[in-house]
Amino acid sequence: SSELTQDPAVSVALGQTVRITCQGDSLRSYYASWYQQKPGQAPVLVIYGKNNRPSGIPDRFSGSSSGNTASLTITGAQAEDEADYYCNSRDSSGNHKVFGTGTKVTVL
Amino acid sequence: QVQLQESGPGLVKPSGTLSLTCAVSGGSISSSNWWSWVRQPPGKGLEWIGEIYHSGSTNYNPSLKSRVTISVDKSKNQFSLKLSSVTAADTAVYYCARDWNGHDAFDIWGQGTMVTVSS
Repeated sequence: SSELTQDPAVSVALGQTVRITCQGDSLRSYYASWYQQKPGQAPVLVIYGKNNRPSGIPDRFSGSSSGNTASLTITGAQAEDEADYYCNSRDSSGNHKVFGTGTKVTVL
Repeated sequence: QVQLQESGPGLVKPSGTLSLTCAVSGGSISSSNWWSWVRQPPGKGLEWIGEIYHSGSTNYNPSLKSRVTISVDKSKNQFSLKLSSVTAADTAVYYCARDWNGHDAFDIWGQGTMVTVSS
C-alpha cells in the first residue's frame, strides 16, 4: 500500500503530552519524517530518521516507530505548537515519496 | 544557507500546461541531493509530485506520472516542473523542496507559489 494514515485532529492541554500517529505498510521498511505546517506557511521538518531533530527544533519533539506505525510526540505542548502535522515516507516500492493525511493539533 | 524560490504563472487555463521553476541559491543543485515538487490544494493535505537528481534521473508520483515532467538546468542552478492537461483539481500551492541527502527528509522548502486553474 502507498497510503499513510493519520488521525484528522487531536487536542492537548497546554503543557501536556500529545502523540500523533502515522500508519502504513511501508513504515515496516522505511522511517517517517515529520513536518509542522502553520497557516499560510511552508512545512517545516521537525523529526527525521529514527529520532532526529534538525537544528532549532525544540527537544519537546520526539519520534518513534513500531511495526507499521510511526509516532510524533510533543512533550509539554506549547501554544506555538498548534499546527498541522504531516508524516512522510517512501511507498512500498521505495521509489516514491508519500505524505500522510495530516493531523491538526489544537492546544487548549 | 541553501534557499529555494518558486516562480511561474499564477493562472493557467484548463487543458493547458502548468510550468514552474525552482531557483536554488546558496548551494549547488549538483550536490548529492534529490530535488522535489510538492503541492497542496486549498484546505487540503500535501501531495508529493516527483523528484529529480542533478544527473537527470527522475521519480514521479504514479497518480500524476502521465502528466508530469521534471527537468534540471545545472547552468542556471534550477529545476522545473511541467504538468500538462490541467484541470481545476490541479489548483494548489506548489512547493519545491530539497530531499536531504542520506536522511530521506525534506529539510529545505521554498515559500510556495499559488497556481489557479481557471478560464
